[in-house]
Amino acid sequence: DQQVKQNSPSLSVQEGRISILNCDYTNSMFDYFLWYKKYPAEGPTFLISISSIKDKNEDGRFTVFLNKSAKHLSLHIVPSQPGDSAVYFCAASGELYGQNFVFGPGTRLSVLP
Amino acid sequence: EAQVTQNPRYLITVTGKKLTVTCSQNMNHEYMSWYRQDPGLGLRQIYYSMNVEVTDKGDVPEGYKVSRKEKRNFPLILESPSPNQTSLYFCASSLWKRTSGDHNEQFFGPGTRLTVL
Repeated sequence: DQQVKQNSPSLSVQEGRISILNCDYTNSMFDYFLWYKKYPAEGPTFLISISSIKDKNEDGRFTVFLNKSAKHLSLHIVPSQPGDSAVYFCAASGELYGQNFVFGPGTRLSVLP
Repeated sequence: EAQVTQNPRYLITVTGKKLTVTCSQNMNHEYMSWYRQDPGLGLRQIYYSMNVEVTDKGDVPEGYKVSRKEKRNFPLILESPSPNQTSLYFCASSLWKRTSGDHNEQFFGPGTRLTVL
């Protein structure tokens, strides 16, 4: 059973609008979360992270929100740009996992010009 | 340039023919890991290594072997590949976590697309 879920396999958004990518987790031992972005024929690259002691982390156009009680996090991209079109992976870890992360299945974002 | 390199990038082989996918990093990272990416399943960990001569199984280790004789290299070995090992493979590295609550981002290689016929 997947511990990290991204229930939307794909998402299309108009350029300039907000993109919201969602991630749910089941393991309450997770206390650190990352988002990775992946372009075709490239490896994933780190985008933004959040620790469970926070409920929000912002980096430029990217903001991650964490709702611990709901075991839910979301990535907001504002404004969305065509270059944001990629697959986004949510990943989670915790003290018991050391440096290992559990990845979700990914959401493919298409930003339409 | 700090990077993780993998070779080959593409490989088509036949069932049972042993192969090795190499992975090398130039960032002096202690931690290295192998993942496979399959549609709908995301990245699943195969094996990881916390340092030289220290390796452990991930979630899907069956049919794979690894070794960590040098800090920079972490090859993935398929002794007898089968068609269900057709996948996209990624190697990653990071610093080993230093303190409680400290997690380090992983740097990924460009991927190796393997097809086993």
